[in-house]
Amino acid sequence: EAGVTQSPTHLIKTRGQQATLRCSPISGHTSVYWYQQALGLGLQFLLWYDEGEERNRGNFPPRFSGRQFPNYSSELNVNALELEDSALYLCASSPSYSLYNEQFFGPGTRLTVL
Amino acid sequence: AQRVTQPEKLLSVFKGAPVELKCNYSYSGSPELFWYVQYSRQRLQLLLRHISRESIKGFTADLNKGETSFHLKKPFAQEEDSAMYYCALRGGSGGGADGLTFGKGTHLIIQP
Repeated sequence: EAGVTQSPTHLIKTRGQQATLRCSPISGHTSVYWYQQALGLGLQFLLWYDEGEERNRGNFPPRFSGRQFPNYSSELNVNALELEDSALYLCASSPSYSLYNEQFFGPGTRLTVL
Repeated sequence: AQRVTQPEKLLSVFKGAPVELKCNYSYSGSPELFWYVQYSRQRLQLLLRHISRESIKGFTADLNKGETSFHLKKPFAQEEDSAMYYCALRGGSGGGADGLTFGKGTHLIIQP
């Protein structure tokens, strides 16, 4: 079974630009989660999508946004990039909305903002 | 607000010695607690969760609501246990399927 995939592996942008990160969940999973792992801050929850809807978001500004497509893949968009957005962005997926679901993580996209 | 604290950034023990990775949490409701592990060059993966009350790779963790702790233990460490360990909590309004709150992780090194 293929795991969660993310693209690109690395992304280099300059301050003020926009970044788009992509995630494909495990087949059959409808929930997608995004996390940011910045140096010194640990893993922080960003966004949760299920069945095409944003269900919850962490404590991040609105310039972090995303969407989930009908095939359950997801995009994370970061507008007006700032230097502190440099981080590893992890995507995770889980089966449909129910209690105690395990989240399966992808390998991450390393975003560097210059 | 919910919070997970892992007080040790680095823990080094000898092979065969007992291991305890500490995790304390802050949450007003009934949390779900997890331990995730990341081996070198591998992706983050679930090690165990408190509701399962099972032992995975010799590791166990007991939820202590009085002390708000969920420490991870193994009686005899093995070299292959060397990895980054993250304690995580799920609470919030997501009905049990919400995002996780992670601690900053403990790097466990097992010396031969």
